[in-house]
Amino acid sequence: GENVEQHPSTLSVQEGDSAVIKCTYSDSASNYFPWYKQELGKRPQLIIDIRSNVGEKKDQRIAVTLNKTAKHFSLHITETQPEDSAVYFCAATGGTSYGKLTFGQGTILTVHP
Amino acid sequence: DAGITQSPRHKVTETGTPVTLRCHQTENHRYMYWYRQDPGHGLRLIHYSYGVKDTDKGEVSDGYSVSRSKTEDFLLTLESATSSQTSVYFCAISKQEGGNTEAFFGQGTRLTVV
Repeated sequence: GENVEQHPSTLSVQEGDSAVIKCTYSDSASNYFPWYKQELGKRPQLIIDIRSNVGEKKDQRIAVTLNKTAKHFSLHITETQPEDSAVYFCAATGGTSYGKLTFGQGTILTVHP
Repeated sequence: DAGITQSPRHKVTETGTPVTLRCHQTENHRYMYWYRQDPGHGLRLIHYSYGVKDTDKGEVSDGYSVSRSKTEDFLLTLESATSSQTSVYFCAISKQEGGNTEAFFGQGTRLTVV
């Protein structure tokens, strides 16, 4: 089955800096890679996703890149703000997996004012 | 919230008792999932359903069973609760046929087994 590794487990940045979170996956059949943000006590919420036919996707201050050859994908947050502080999860799914998501272990992002 | 409701939101139960968690959706989605969330592990799939009466095991299914007798309801049962099943449980739905698309989560159920 799929295995997703996520790094770093914690990330601390100053407001205005950029933050990068990286994930690797093992199953070459995976073709959909979402990123979720989870605030304390809340449900995970989708913030951006990318499919395997695309190398990069942007949405305002966040972007995701995908390298299918190396089987890794990354989340980039620019001009970080305190409200970006949360736990971020990457995930992967694809092939005949019925949409089952395999998640990374999560990254606790703290943005200091 | 994609019309997903979990109940109860919080539960404390004793070791050895059966517990059932309910996930209810209002948008007639075919695919539903149960995940558990534990520190250091992210979210892990327990069971999933790809239609009424169609279910299968996920990564961490031991000690759990599920049922889906109606499109809108997906029940997760802990047959005999253990302390290792203390966790936050999230139900999710996938909005399009064939999966591989956006998943939306319920609010979660915090279960404590004492």
